[in-house]
Amino acid sequence: EERLVESGGGVVQPGGSPRLSCEASGFTFIRHWMTWVRQAPGKGLEWVANINQDGSEKHYVDSVKGRFTISRDNAKNSLYLQMNSLRAEDTAVYYCARGLYTPGPWGQGTLVTVSS
Amino acid sequence: QSALTQPASVSGSPGQSITISCTGTSTDVGTYNYVSWYQQHPGKAPKLMIYDVSNRPSGVSNRFSGSKSGNTASLTISGLQAEDEADYYCSSYTSSTTVLFGGGTKLTVL
Repeated sequence: EERLVESGGGVVQPGGSPRLSCEASGFTFIRHWMTWVRQAPGKGLEWVANINQDGSEKHYVDSVKGRFTISRDNAKNSLYLQMNSLRAEDTAVYYCARGLYTPGPWGQGTLVTVSS
Repeated sequence: QSALTQPASVSGSPGQSITISCTGTSTDVGTYNYVSWYQQHPGKAPKLMIYDVSNRPSGVSNRFSGSKSGNTASLTISGLQAEDEADYYCSSYTSSTTVLFGGGTKLTVL
């Protein structure tokens, strides 16, 4: 069974720098692009970033460019999102998902709350 | 990077059919056949219902179908059931190697 499990969320102060992790299982991780998507409370889905199979190509939504960094460790079947200079508007459930063109399957998400 | 345009809400009675539209531009929906549809129940992660415009993943009911014309994609749900009540999001791959989502449509089964 394909499975993605996110972790690393919690309450973070404005300006904080948490790192989210996503552990993949049930599929050949190294063969796939991976994606982060977020959903603010009561709002819609927003694509955040993606990364290719060997980590050499990365893309970001404009609102996080220069603040967030996506990375992966294929030996550990893991995807990461380093988040810096967090703002209140970054408060959201962060999902990891497999794929470039069609994100999916998805993990259960991890909630990041930016609050002082 | 503006979101794809979806109606905020649609409704229908059990047994009826409804269609949700998703309008993009020539740099996303109009060019690529990588339009997907997701169903999200409250408190749950999104579930992929349609990919590549009209393909259903294994296990998804054939009551769900997708299509595309020009810059607009559509999701049709036939034979509405109470369990279909949820939020639905479209997405499209873009020329920037990113993905855009629609703003979401709340489906109410009357």
